[in-house]
Amino acid sequence: GAGVSQTPSNKVTEKGKYVELRCDPISGHTALYWYRQSLGQGPEFLIYFQGTGAADDSGLPNDRFFAVRPEGSVSTLKIQRTERGDSAVYLCASSLVLAGYNEQFFGPGTRLTVL
Amino acid sequence: AQSVTQPDIHITVSEGASLELRCNYSYGATPYLFWYVQSPGQGLQLLLKYFSGDTLVQGIKGFEAEFKRSQSSFNLRKPSVHWSDAAEYFCAVGVPSGSARQLTFGSGTQLTVLP
Repeated sequence: GAGVSQTPSNKVTEKGKYVELRCDPISGHTALYWYRQSLGQGPEFLIYFQGTGAADDSGLPNDRFFAVRPEGSVSTLKIQRTERGDSAVYLCASSLVLAGYNEQFFGPGTRLTVL
Repeated sequence: AQSVTQPDIHITVSEGASLELRCNYSYGATPYLFWYVQSPGQGLQLLLKYFSGDTLVQGIKGFEAEFKRSQSSFNLRKPSVHWSDAAEYFCAVGVPSGSARQLTFGSGTQLTVLP
């Protein structure tokens, strides 16, 4: 079946602009995660959705970052007033939510470059 | 808060040689432990995971890892490396309690395989 998809695969923008990154999770996965991977680093957690609500947004770096998942499926990560330091690969993952641990399946990521 | 250390930024091995990638974690109890592989342009793929029980776990592609509580380590091994194993490898921990579902990743080890 289809895996997690993310669009666009690459996004180049100018400092100060607004960007939206989209994630389509695996069908039936109620949990969705956003991570950010800077060059030479491992992914860092941003936010976790359980259904339509953000169950944990403790990883969002500041109020310029916001994410939504209005229908409990597709999610959009929104970044306002982009800064050069926002340049990174943004990864989305999804999982089932069952008792115990549930494997997170990752998408290929969106590479964001802020000029 | 939990943390993960991968002390080797880059490892080079010859094809057919054995491999060991190191991972140390910091957490007050036994976390969930994972190894992921990331190839260029690909999403993160789960190689193996440890939750409890037998401390030697087998994964895909011939990889295995051993959990050592006394050393807070979860090293990844492969007896004979193939050229297709060249990629970046990430160790990660998950907290097995509460609503926290995010993974905490190490900074990764880049593996180069010489012919």
